[in-house]
Amino acid sequence: DAKTTQPPSMDCAEGRAANLPCNHSTISGNEYVYWYRQIHSQGPQYIIHGLKNNETNEMASLIITEDRKSSTLILPHATLRDTAVYYCIVRVKTGNQFYFGTGTSLTVIP
Amino acid sequence: DARVTQTPRHKVTEMGQEVTMRCQPILGHNTVFWYRQTMMQGLELLAYFRNRAPLDDSGMPKDRFSAEMPDATLATLKIQPSEPRDSAVYFCASGLVLQGGRGNQPQHFGDGTRLSIL
Repeated sequence: DAKTTQPPSMDCAEGRAANLPCNHSTISGNEYVYWYRQIHSQGPQYIIHGLKNNETNEMASLIITEDRKSSTLILPHATLRDTAVYYCIVRVKTGNQFYFGTGTSLTVIP
Repeated sequence: DARVTQTPRHKVTEMGQEVTMRCQPILGHNTVFWYRQTMMQGLELLAYFRNRAPLDDSGMPKDRFSAEMPDATLATLKIQPSEPRDSAVYFCASGLVLQGGRGNQPQHFGDGTRLSIL
């Protein structure tokens, strides 16, 4: 299983873009990168996922480097409600298990 | 939006009692996962099912924990007898996995059962 490394915490000013990095240097060719977030007392919420191309949806953008060894989740205009722990996950090849690491605690500051 | 539903949301009981947690996966999903979250260990995978059959329960203490899927709309996680160290938030998630285990569909989580064993 590819291990992911994320900074333990980050701050972001409200209204600015939040850029959350993730390293996954041992990722295999057919493993996807997923991002989830967990707001206090709620279950993890799916944000976005990708394989090699950059992806965008209504919540965020995912930028994956060409060598696929790292990625960045971008929240384009952070709000106070985006304060949460963000998990970067590489999906195992079979079984669809997700292994959550310790994530990045993002605090959006007014 | 379709959601994974977990009951109860909160459970407080005394050591030694049986605890049953229930999960209703999203309709059409064929894979159900049970996770446990504590401050010390973070999110841990306990067990998961595909098409109601258990595929992996290696993360679950076998002597006191059991997980079942009586039908496609209900998954249960039981602890008997419960111990204080079982206090945690238990999450259920469901997803759709294609034939042969392939596919990239995300899992969707419920809001968990917060369990306190006194």
